[in-house]
Amino acid sequence: AQSVTQPDIHITVSEGASLELRCNYSYGATPYLFWYVQSPGQGLQLLLKYFSGDTLVQGIKGFEAEFKRSQSSFNLRKPSVHWSDAAEYFCAVARLYNNNDMRFGAGTRLTVKP
Amino acid sequence: DTAVSQTPKYLVTQMGNDKSIKCEQNLGHDTMYWYKQDSKKFLKIMFSYNNKELIINETVPNRFSPKSPDKAHLNLHINSLELGDSAVYFCASSQMGEYAQYFGPGTRLTVL
Repeated sequence: AQSVTQPDIHITVSEGASLELRCNYSYGATPYLFWYVQSPGQGLQLLLKYFSGDTLVQGIKGFEAEFKRSQSSFNLRKPSVHWSDAAEYFCAVARLYNNNDMRFGAGTRLTVKP
Repeated sequence: DTAVSQTPKYLVTQMGNDKSIKCEQNLGHDTMYWYKQDSKKFLKIMFSYNNKELIINETVPNRFSPKSPDKAHLNLHINSLELGDSAVYFCASSQMGEYAQYFGPGTRLTVL
């Protein structure tokens, strides 16, 4: 079965600084990859997704992610973080032809310093 | 105009009680899900329901049962609540073949 690892439990960055959140996946075939954001007390919002094609994916709120097959990674980036980006970020992987089995990483909590 | 909605947002109850959480989606999706998020924010799928086919995570106790009156609704019934059931429960939906899931705001269940 597929799995996802988010190596960083908690990251703190200063407002205006760049951000990279790491995600590594384990899956034998081409994965479907996602990043979600969960603000405090809220549900999960889809930031971006990768199915195939261009390995650099643009999402909402100025986020992007890059799929690197050789490293089994799908890291999330943002060039300049805003205080409102403070939240929990989840990477997820789904299997081809299996809509019903999405696996989530443990999440990375982002704190933004003023 | 909420895409995936859940009620109630908060649910506090005693051990041994039976409770339900409702979920509705207006996205026209054909698949709905229930997830449990524990205190460490770990998300675990409990059920998925598509075209009357229910797929159950084998680790979910049979005290939990999803019920779908129609394609837009998937309710979660929990019998004989236990302390360990305290968590945030999320409903989600997707369209078969599109994989991206859209989540509701969550229901925080506290069992005393």
